[in-house]
Amino acid sequence: DADVTQTPRNRITKTGKRIMLECSQTKGHDRMYWYRQDPGLGLRLIYYSFDVKDINKGEISDGYSVSRQAQAKFSLSLESAIPNQTALYFCATSDFGRAPNNEQFFGPGTRLTVL
Amino acid sequence: GQNIDQPTEMTATEGAIVQINCTYQTSGFNGLFWYQQHAGEAPTFLSYNVLDGLEEKGRFSSFLSRSKGYSYLLLKELQMKDSASYLCAGMDSNYQLIWGAGTKLIIKP
Repeated sequence: DADVTQTPRNRITKTGKRIMLECSQTKGHDRMYWYRQDPGLGLRLIYYSFDVKDINKGEISDGYSVSRQAQAKFSLSLESAIPNQTALYFCATSDFGRAPNNEQFFGPGTRLTVL
Repeated sequence: GQNIDQPTEMTATEGAIVQINCTYQTSGFNGLFWYQQHAGEAPTFLSYNVLDGLEEKGRFSSFLSRSKGYSYLLLKELQMKDSASYLCAGMDSNYQLIWGAGTKLIIKP
């Protein structure tokens, strides 16, 4: 069974629609992250959460919002999707303190297309 | 500012050795990571260096020079399945990863 899961895996939507991407983990990690990946660019951090009560903006948070419903769940919302939000979205987790290197573990990704 | 530089693409031959270089500039430093990513899939962890020197793990080795802000990933006995993108990432003082754009490695028979 996958330790970090994302739903949906693929989504096609139209400009202006509200979209929610969900991430769940069974690793018991405290930290969770949302990234987007575009061709030719590195992974860019959208939001991150150190625990349920701690949400932080990343490099490119405009146009996105998040919710940490529980330690195991971290959702990303696009309130009004636009075409330049077409990308591959990854959720990741890490366990600061127990892991010596704060390694991040990634979900399988959600491919989002905004028409 | 923070920046990670690595070549966009490299080509190598099956059975050979290839070295992928990475230079980094981060606010503070808490280690250098290498991840492998096959097309359309999630990145997977390969190696971590926080002290200067070479870390060897099977066919893969990673080197770090903190004074030069430089790392490399060395892949030996290349196999076709090693065709992938290799992502270099530096961890800053806030324990956030700063990612390079990745090096696409093409392996030819």
